[in-house]
Amino acid sequence: GENVEQHPSTLSVQEGDSAVIKCTYSDSASNYFPWYKQELGKGPQLIIDIRSNVGEKKDQRIAVTLNKTAKHFSLHITETQPEDSAVYFCAANQAGTALIFGKGTTLSVSS
Amino acid sequence: GAVVSQHPSRVICKSGTSVKIECRSLDFQATTMFWYRQFPKQSLMLMATSNEGSKATYEQGVEKDKFLINHASLTLSTLTVTSAHPEDSSFYICSASRQNEQYFGPGTRLTVT
Repeated sequence: GENVEQHPSTLSVQEGDSAVIKCTYSDSASNYFPWYKQELGKGPQLIIDIRSNVGEKKDQRIAVTLNKTAKHFSLHITETQPEDSAVYFCAANQAGTALIFGKGTTLSVSS
Repeated sequence: GAVVSQHPSRVICKSGTSVKIECRSLDFQATTMFWYRQFPKQSLMLMATSNEGSKATYEQGVEKDKFLINHASLTLSTLTVTSAHPEDSSFYICSASRQNEQYFGPGTRLTVT
């Protein structure tokens, strides 16, 4: 089955800096790679996703890149703000199957 | 669109009792819903896949007789924790699938005393 590794487990940045979180996956058949933001006591919120037919996707300050050959994908947050502080999870799956999550990254943005 | 609700948001029960958690897709139909469990400071662990009109598929190590899942309609799946024990205390989260995107509910905090 699929296995997703996520690094780093914690990340501290200053407001305005960029943050990068990286994930690798094991199943070459996976074709959908979402990123979720989870705040304390709440369910995960989808923030961006990418499918295997594209290499990069951007939405304002957030971008995701995918390297299918190397089986890794990354989340990039630019111009970080204190409200970006949360736990971020990457995930991977094939259509119709359950998402398999990475272990999460706790991002702290200090002002 | 793509809103998923869960009820209740918090529940405290005594050891040995059963608790039912509801997961609803409010503005779309979901033939497949998923149930996850999350312990403090850990990731989401898949418990089972719930398909409308058929039996749920449980992950290895998840007791199907303890965690009863019913997916009676395209907008509702329920998880019943039977004979709850303190070690079942956790954050239970459901998700509903729409066009291969998964939308998560707000979660249910279960505390078993």
